[in-house]
Amino acid sequence: GAVVSQHPSRVICKSGTSVKIECRSLDFQATTMFWYRQFPKQSLMLMATSNEGSKATYEQGVEKDKFLINHASLTLSTLTVTSAHPEDSSFYICSARGTTGGVYESEAFFGQGTRLTVV
Amino acid sequence: SQQGEEDPQALSIQEGENATMNCSYKTSINNLQWYRQNSGRGLVHLILIRSNEREKHSGRLRVTLDTSKKSSSLLITASRAADTASYFCATGSGAGSYQLTFGKGTKLSVIP
Repeated sequence: GAVVSQHPSRVICKSGTSVKIECRSLDFQATTMFWYRQFPKQSLMLMATSNEGSKATYEQGVEKDKFLINHASLTLSTLTVTSAHPEDSSFYICSARGTTGGVYESEAFFGQGTRLTVV
Repeated sequence: SQQGEEDPQALSIQEGENATMNCSYKTSINNLQWYRQNSGRGLVHLILIRSNEREKHSGRLRVTLDTSKKSSSLLITASRAADTASYFCATGSGAGSYQLTFGKGTKLSVIP
């Protein structure tokens, strides 16, 4: 199956700083990438959907100025948590869906997640 | 919004036994998928069943889908300690962006 690489896997940052998380589709082109957030022992909550070359669509309640998403190419999307605070500490997971009509259109492939701890 | 609801929330069984997890959803779907997540890790795709399918098998996994009841079940046969993980169902609906809506998950513990 397709591989999605997410980096870093763990990051600890100081309150007030910004953190960038990368999501790359390694062997396929991803028209759409999704960013999820998961609190301990809870399910995944969709934060935003990004399409290559256009602005991300954010879910209700997600601050777009705080969680900046850039999808500059068909293989890379980034999530930047700006001015991070302890309440932003969470597990962030990206997923990517292949281009329409392609082999990987039907599934969403997930990265390994990033554990963000803000101290 | 979350529409998948798995039950039970937690399941503990002995190695070798079968494990059954259920998922219910509320709106129309194109497909339903099951994922596995080891503690603190990403998701691993297990199986996808389309809305026009009723049953699907993959190795020790068996998934059923009942669209009239808006429910699905995941059966893991002959469980192993390595099957210990959280299992999530996710529904895909609509065209275009292909967003997945996840349930709350079932935490499965297989005791050796």
